[in-house]
Amino acid sequence: EAQVTQNPRYLITVTGKKLTVTCSQNMNHEYMSWYRQDPGLGLRQIYYSMNVEVTDKGDVPEGYKVSRKEKRNFPLILESPSPNQTSLYFCASSFRSTRRYEQYFGPGTRLTVT
Amino acid sequence: AQTVTQSQPEMSVQEAETVTLSCTYDTSESDYYLFWYKQPPSRQMILVIRQEAYKQQNATENRFSVNFQKAAKSFSLKISDSQLGDAAMYFCAYRGHGANSKLTFGKGITLSVRP
Repeated sequence: EAQVTQNPRYLITVTGKKLTVTCSQNMNHEYMSWYRQDPGLGLRQIYYSMNVEVTDKGDVPEGYKVSRKEKRNFPLILESPSPNQTSLYFCASSFRSTRRYEQYFGPGTRLTVT
Repeated sequence: AQTVTQSQPEMSVQEAETVTLSCTYDTSESDYYLFWYKQPPSRQMILVIRQEAYKQQNATENRFSVNFQKAAKSFSLKISDSQLGDAAMYFCAYRGHGANSKLTFGKGITLSVRP
């Protein structure tokens, strides 16, 4: 089954404790992206990756890191989480071709930083 | 930069009736893609319908259809024969033509369905 998986689905942590949210897709997609969703703001892009070892900042990259060492995986790293990073996070992937543009979303990760 | 505006934060519809959700966008590109995503209480993002800007014909998917007005930069979603399961948050989204184009989302609208 074609899918994007994220782990963990729920996480409660404390300020400053490094954490990683994993994202994996099995569709051989080149393009992967992280979004955060906050009430009244919709979804905003954090980082994206066009392919292995190619990453770039989205609209709200501060406080986040990513890496793309394998095509299927795109982890999101919070090296020193703060309460303003409490949010719902989505990973998404798609083909890079502009005619195969549909993005597939993971189930979301609810992060709470206290 | 592209922007997507959903000006109505909430709407309500009677079961079996029709409702239209509004969306406008701003772009200088001529080729792009528009989407409506549904987010039920499970939080999963579900693609409802897509529209390619180069296509004049409005997209339809069963009970869901769009009214795409390219000159007016308007992209509304019509839900016919509304069902209780349609209750969710709906997001309008824009994606440009470039291979690295991101999805730009509106703020969403919460749709409730009255039995």
